[in-house]
Amino acid sequence: DVKVTQSSRYLVKRTGEKVFLECVQDMDHENMFWYRQDPGLGLRLIYFSYDVKMKEKGDIPEGYSVSREKKERFSLILESASTNQTSMYLCASSLGQPLSLHFGNGTRLTVT
Amino acid sequence: AQRVTQPEKLLSVFKGAPVELKCNYSYSGSPELFWYVQYSRQRLQLLLRHISRESIKGFTADLNKGETSFHLKKPFAQEEDSAMYYCALSGGQGAQKLVFGQGTRLTINP
Repeated sequence: DVKVTQSSRYLVKRTGEKVFLECVQDMDHENMFWYRQDPGLGLRLIYFSYDVKMKEKGDIPEGYSVSREKKERFSLILESASTNQTSMYLCASSLGQPLSLHFGNGTRLTVT
Repeated sequence: AQRVTQPEKLLSVFKGAPVELKCNYSYSGSPELFWYVQYSRQRLQLLLRHISRESIKGFTADLNKGETSFHLKKPFAQEEDSAMYYCALSGGQGAQKLVFGQGTRLTINP
């Protein structure tokens, strides 16, 4: 069974801090994704990656960056956290097509 | 552009009653449609996808290209069906991303 692990379940950071959210998958999946989940807005794609060192902007990339140095790890970086980035962040992975995503448990980030 | 709309944020039905969660999409090509579900305190997981034409936990969904819809249905709701449901679309072969709807919270009353 595929396991997608997000390093933190809850995170509280201050405005202006640099924040790292880590995600690791154990099934050699090519594709990895970062979404944020907000009530009434559903899941919105921030960034995705289809190979090591490759990245593509999703629908809401502003204020975020990503890193994929190894196939199993996909990091989301908030360069300077702001209160409007308070949200649930979901990491997911998939193997090729079709895009059946396997999700992590999520990281609930609060920026104060 | 790809877009998925779930018109109902909340849906409440009684146990044993039929359930229909609506999903409409906008896409010019041949889409692949999915339903994902998130039960309380669990991770988001795939429920079903239209290409499989399968029934999972009694749920079915038919892709209607004329109406651009992919509604999720179950004839007799059970209490354990209470969850958050998301409809999602990818742009078919070669697509690199999945676009989600806003989600519908389904509550089954005893």
